[in-house]
Order: sequence, then structure tokens, then C-alpha cells
Amino acid sequence: DAGVIQSPRHEVTEMGQEVTLRCKPISGHDYLFWYRQTMMRGLELLIYFNNNVPIDDSGMPEDRFSAKMPNASFSTLKIQPSEPRDSAVYFCASSFGISGETQYFGPGTRLLVL
Amino acid sequence: KQEVTQIPAALSVPEGENLVLNCSFTDSAIYNLQWFRQDPGKGLTSLLLIQSSQREQTSGRLNASLDKSSGRSTLYIAASQPGDSATYLCAASNYGGSQGNLIFGKGTKLSVKP
Repeated sequence: DAGVIQSPRHEVTEMGQEVTLRCKPISGHDYLFWYRQTMMRGLELLIYFNNNVPIDDSGMPEDRFSAKMPNASFSTLKIQPSEPRDSAVYFCASSFGISGETQYFGPGTRLLVL
Repeated sequence: KQEVTQIPAALSVPEGENLVLNCSFTDSAIYNLQWFRQDPGKGLTSLLLIQSSQREQTSGRLNASLDKSSGRSTLYIAASQPGDSATYLCAASNYGGSQGNLIFGKGTKLSVKP
């Protein structure tokens, strides 16, 4: 398996623009997670899905952030409108089951909002 | 609210040395604790997962221990090599909350000098 795939790997945009990050989980995994990593706050969970259904979105910072999982092999994280403080590395991870199961991380998308 | 702390933030050792990385957590009601490795510009790779009922896990030169009563976990690396240079993060998953919500420490950046 190719592992968790994220695109784009790097994104530079201007404040106010819409940003869409994409993730393809490992085939057969039923959980998908979106994380954000910054120097100040470290790694934080934004939202996670089970069988394409959002389970916990309490980490989503504000209404400007939204995430979808239309099918088992694809998820998006959208920021609209983007702000400079959204600059971070965004990771997608997936797992088979959740209790005591390892999460497999993608390489991340490095987002810079000017 | 669970908080995970890793001290020191950075550590430099000569090749061949045995070393211990520390992780502390405030809420002992954890479901499991995981150690991850992160290389620059890359995602996280799971190293070891310790269930709450376990006291340690081993993989090759790595040994992770868990002491819930004291709120501590350690990652022991034997005979360190330059290839071990990376940032090591620990993460706790709690009972009572969303089991998908891994709470991460900010990591210890390890540098092994040849």
C-alpha cells in the first residue's frame, strides 16, 4: 500500500482565499483523522471520521474550517476564507479500528497564508 | 483536561550512547500511550503503543515503559545511531473522552552525533 496520500504537499495562498486540502487514507482503514501542527501549539486533532461519518469535530477552530468524507477513499479539509494564523502543517492519518490501534500519518500539507 | 509534556525539548548525544526520553501526563485515566517519530518535513511514524494494562513494550533497540500512577512514560533507545536523529513525540488517549483524540506532547528533538 502507498500509505496515506495527501495533496498538495505545499500551498501558498493569500489571505481571504479558499484552501482545500486532500487526503486518501490507507485502503481498508475505517477511521480518518485531520491534525494541525504549529510550533506554538504542537500537534492538535481537528476532526475525525468513522466509516465516512464525522465523530468528533470539537477541535475544528472556527466555522471557516470544514471537512468532508464523501467516500471511504477520500477526504477534504477546507478553509474559507483563509487567514495568516492558519499557516501550519496539516496532517491526515488513518487507522483500522480505534481502540489501541496505530494511526498511520500522511506526509502533511505545509500551508502558508500571506 | 489531559496535558502531555516532554522534557527536554532537545537532546544531543554521541553515537553509541544509551538514552532515555521522558513523557509526563496529567490524567492517569489513559487508554493507551503511543510514541511516534517525526523526521524533518515528514509525517509521524508510530514506534510503540502501550495499552493501559501494560507496563512496557519493546521493538528492537527501543523500549517504552508506562507508569500510570506517576503519570510518566519513557522511551529508552539503546546504542544510539545517527539515523535515530529525529523528533520523538508521545501521545495519550484517554478514557471518558473521544478515543480518537490523541493528546500529543510537543516532542523531544534528538540529535545523535557521529
